[in-house]
Amino acid sequence: AQKVTQAQTEISVVEKEDVTLDCVYETRDTTYYLFWYKQPPSGELVFLIRRNSFDEQNEISGRYSWNFQKSTSSFNFTITASQVVDSAVYFCGAAFRGGADGLTFGKGTHLIIQP
Amino acid sequence: KAGVTQTPRYLIKTRGQQVTLSCSPISGHRSVSWYQQTPGQGLQFLFEYFSETQRNKGNFPGRFSGRQFSNSRSEMNVSTLELGDSALYLCASSLGRGGSYNEQFFGPGTRLTVL
Repeated sequence: AQKVTQAQTEISVVEKEDVTLDCVYETRDTTYYLFWYKQPPSGELVFLIRRNSFDEQNEISGRYSWNFQKSTSSFNFTITASQVVDSAVYFCGAAFRGGADGLTFGKGTHLIIQP
Repeated sequence: KAGVTQTPRYLIKTRGQQVTLSCSPISGHRSVSWYQQTPGQGLQFLFEYFSETQRNKGNFPGRFSGRQFSNSRSEMNVSTLELGDSALYLCASSLGRGGSYNEQFFGPGTRLTVL
């Protein structure tokens, strides 16, 4: 079965703390793409990152970093020095089977950054 | 550059009615995908269109249909509405053919309430 799991339903931290959002996926495909999207209260999903299954290089973009480990089928997202504006629901997604099933999303993690 | 627009933003219908939702992709984008978001099921893929052809379809009943026009605008239709169809319907556009493999730009969604 093709599946994406975000075990953390909600995380609440105080501003400036570091926070890691977990994402685990299941697939037998050798080629697939992994994504992270952010959904602020306005509703539209905002693209954060895409990673293909052959590229395990970690990525850093400002305060955001992503750790992709094929050995554990995980694609975790870390926010360093969190800010109130980071408060949102974050979705991990994957495109399996050549994209035939669209994006398979996890249930999302609601991140609350308290001032 | 204008983003993805969806109309209407809010809609209230009664059971048994039908509804049509519209999506205008970013200029130049030829791939359009639709997703349903509910609190219980999360984000689920409905269909993907490219150059007026449906390329992929999610696991939804035949009451859900869609189409894409020559200008890449897309519509989705739900007939014989059920209470469970109440959801946020999100449209996403991307530049290339492989919609789900690419960075997708999402619209703000149409909030459908079925009474």
